[in-house]
Amino acid sequence: DGGITQSPKYLFRKEGQNVTLSCEQNLNHDAMYWYRQDPGQGLRLIYYSQIVNDFQKGDIAEGYSVSREKKESFPLTVTSAQKNPTAFYLCASFQTGVRGYTFGSGTRLTVV
Amino acid sequence: GENVEQHPSTLSVQEGDSAVIKCTYSDSASNYFPWYKQELGKRPQLIIDIRSNVGEKKDQRIAVTLNKTAKHFSLHITETQPEDSAVYFCAAGGVGGNEKLTFGTGTRLTIIP
Repeated sequence: DGGITQSPKYLFRKEGQNVTLSCEQNLNHDAMYWYRQDPGQGLRLIYYSQIVNDFQKGDIAEGYSVSREKKESFPLTVTSAQKNPTAFYLCASFQTGVRGYTFGSGTRLTVV
Repeated sequence: GENVEQHPSTLSVQEGDSAVIKCTYSDSASNYFPWYKQELGKRPQLIIDIRSNVGEKKDQRIAVTLNKTAKHFSLHITETQPEDSAVYFCAAGGVGGNEKLTFGTGTRLTIIP
């Protein structure tokens, strides 16, 4: 479904708990991105990676961590340090020569 | 870093009329400007994009214009249809070959039958 898969679709986190959101792509894209979407605030960049074993902080990286051990995978961990994690999280990939991002279907995270 | 402002935040138009959404950006080095459409609960989908070496691009009922001097770009949808109802996002980026994008805050477009 679009070549980029996010799981789970819905995730519930208890206070003080770390959770990991999965993002896998079979498009052979070099670059991958994590965005957070809140109502009325558009998409804000959390982390991005242009090559394996390298990643950079985006605009709102505090309380999040990522890894890029394989080209296909870019998991995002929401740590207990993230005070307001309830949001819709979107993963995207990009390859030079291909128009625009390919987005995953998103994970909706709720703190309970 | 880049800052993108998008207006209006909501827009209602009669079916068949035109809709225009405007964005401004701050980084003069940005050279890639895509527009995305997001339906409720779904992923954003690219609908049109433009690079800084082009002033206008059209794809059927959708067009984008870019004014690099003023650092603004606009989305134009003509002959609007009910299926055009969605949230539209503009974005800017591409600095130094890095395709990191900064998004606007979105416009909720409602087409009134």
